[in-house]
Amino acid sequence: QQQVKQSPQSLIVQKGGIPIINCAYENTAFDYFPWYQQFPGKGPALLIAIRPDVSEKKEGRFTISFNKSAKQFSLHIMDSQPGDSATYFCAALSGGGGADGLTFGKGTHLIIQP
Amino acid sequence: GAGVSQSPRYKVAKRGQDVALRCDPISGHVSLFWYQQALGQGPEFLTYFQNEAQLDKSGLPSDRFFAERPEGSVSTLKIQRTQQEDSAVYLCASSPRILGETQYFGPGTRLLVL
Repeated sequence: QQQVKQSPQSLIVQKGGIPIINCAYENTAFDYFPWYQQFPGKGPALLIAIRPDVSEKKEGRFTISFNKSAKQFSLHIMDSQPGDSATYFCAALSGGGGADGLTFGKGTHLIIQP
Repeated sequence: GAGVSQSPRYKVAKRGQDVALRCDPISGHVSLFWYQQALGQGPEFLTYFQNEAQLDKSGLPSDRFFAERPEGSVSTLKIQRTQQEDSAVYLCASSPRILGETQYFGPGTRLLVL
């Protein structure tokens, strides 16, 4: 049972464009939603995270939009650069403690073309 | 400062062999998580430690998998009688919080079972 569904599986965007990656969840106990960036041969690196009481959060060129009623959230990368080419994972964590760890989406392989 | 480190970075094992994977978390971090990442997939939760206590091991795929963190810092994931399906990247993450937010990942150990 996939608790966090991520799309698209892969995405190609021209430099300067705004790639958008979407995630949907079912478990209403989730209350923390981070995005991770992973380069080949490296571990995931935390980019930005949001809680359900906020509809949008910006950190640098990265923005999370959150729709609690639809149980969906998305990552936008402004002014994308070739160095942003990586695999991006959304994730979710249930409230009340971290004992069950993060639940990850399957990832989006993003390519930013020069 | 130093991040999460893992060793070895690569491990090749013959089917049936026992392996031990080490994680050195960020100093002072209370929480430690182990994840398994299959090729082309998102990480999947294995187990969680709060200091030296293993509070959740629900993600461990079989009783061949065992993890410990005896002094609340370094952790070891042990896999007994390895099988080909155990081939994956094993990621360790630590967090300064008990709620599992803000997890910092190590580079992973890539295990190949022949």
